[in-house]
Amino acid sequence: DSGVTQTPKHLITATGQRVTLRCSPRSGDLSVYWYQQSLDQGLQFLIQYYNGEERAKGNILERFSAQQFPDLHSELNLSSLELGDSALYFCASSPFMTGGFGTEAFFGQGTRLTVV
Amino acid sequence: DQQVKQNSPSLSVQEGRISILNCDYTNSMFDYFLWYKKYPAEGPTFLISISSIKDKNEDGRFTVFLNKSAKHLSLHIVPSQPGDSAVYFCAARDSGAGSYQLTFGKGTKLSVIP
Repeated sequence: DSGVTQTPKHLITATGQRVTLRCSPRSGDLSVYWYQQSLDQGLQFLIQYYNGEERAKGNILERFSAQQFPDLHSELNLSSLELGDSALYFCASSPFMTGGFGTEAFFGQGTRLTVV
Repeated sequence: DQQVKQNSPSLSVQEGRISILNCDYTNSMFDYFLWYKKYPAEGPTFLISISSIKDKNEDGRFTVFLNKSAKHLSLHIVPSQPGDSAVYFCAARDSGAGSYQLTFGKGTKLSVIP
């Protein structure tokens, strides 16, 4: 158990809808990262938050947004969903804003989103 | 443009033999490399890492080798065990970029045959 909790584990929704994925980081971790894994693809970095502030942005679509709350949990909001948004969405956390040598991110079990 | 490449989607190895998983990268700013293991229905789990100032890091049955001039790293598992069967992701980071953002390869599915 990595200590990172993601809910829900599975989500099925229709095109055009909006969903919210939730992540609770490990106790004490201030950074939260969101990754997307589509079929036969590696994990693609979407966005990072550190202590409530957006820290880095990757290949995140404009239809997607995220936030980190004062209790450090994070939510990833996906709107106007398309079939191609079907993927595994992983949240990871780490103690620091930047990764020093010897530090690793710990991943949750992921949320499998299916858009039909 | 894929900055981290794992060119072998799958690998089968007999139990007790050596498993060698390869990874190539193109971004010369990467200075820290990690391997993650992923079982079905679970998130990636950190396995081993190496910084660019080293060429080898060993942890039990797992050894990672880094060849900076070739922009190539490999993960050796000796001896391979059936429980090692999983998808292995190579990941890289530019520590000077101000973020912990990891760039992942597409993964190699390792099957260890009893």
